[in-house]
Amino acid sequence: ETGVTQSPTHLIKTRGQQVTLRCSSQSGHNTVSWYQQALGQGPQFIFQYYREEENGRGNFPPRFSGLQFPNYSSELNVNALELDDSALYLCASSHPDVHYGYTFGSGTRLTVV
Amino acid sequence: SQQGEEDPQALSIQEGENATMNCSYKTSINNLQWYRQNSGRGLVHLILIRSNEREKHSGRLRVTLDTSKKSSSLLITASRAADTASYFCATDRGYSTLTFGKGTMLLVSP
Repeated sequence: ETGVTQSPTHLIKTRGQQVTLRCSSQSGHNTVSWYQQALGQGPQFIFQYYREEENGRGNFPPRFSGLQFPNYSSELNVNALELDDSALYLCASSHPDVHYGYTFGSGTRLTVV
Repeated sequence: SQQGEEDPQALSIQEGENATMNCSYKTSINNLQWYRQNSGRGLVHLILIRSNEREKHSGRLRVTLDTSKKSSSLLITASRAADTASYFCATDRGYSTLTFGKGTMLLVSP
């Protein structure tokens, strides 16, 4: 049990559709990051939110967007899905005062067909 | 793009043996972290070593960091079947974002 909850666990979407993935972080963890992990690869940083503002972005196109809410939950939205978007999407949160590493959720497995 | 590179890509050992995984990275870092991932699910944080530290222990884990060589190693002593997983190193350059390697798949046979 990590304290970070992601939903849904699995999702199948059609190319061109839009998807919203959700993450609920631990209380007090006001930094949340999203990562994409393709099969056989390490996670790649998508973006990070701090106090509801985007605080850094990786090499992902604008059709990847996010939101963070005051209750420590966040969303990852992907528009115009492509087959290559099929991956495990991971949410990670951290506490601003204690840098001991990140707490990851179990991920959402997205399959685009 | 991947910052780190783990070596070996896969490692198969017997229970009770030690497992050593290496990680190399390219840029200066604030800290380096190791994570474990079971069956393609979420990552579990194992240990964090700061750039001014050379060695750190946590239970059966021992991590070393050589910033001059831009490399780190993770040693798991007295391996158990439950240690079977993928292990990733991740570097933090101080911007609170992690850059991961491709990981080492460890198989521990009973």
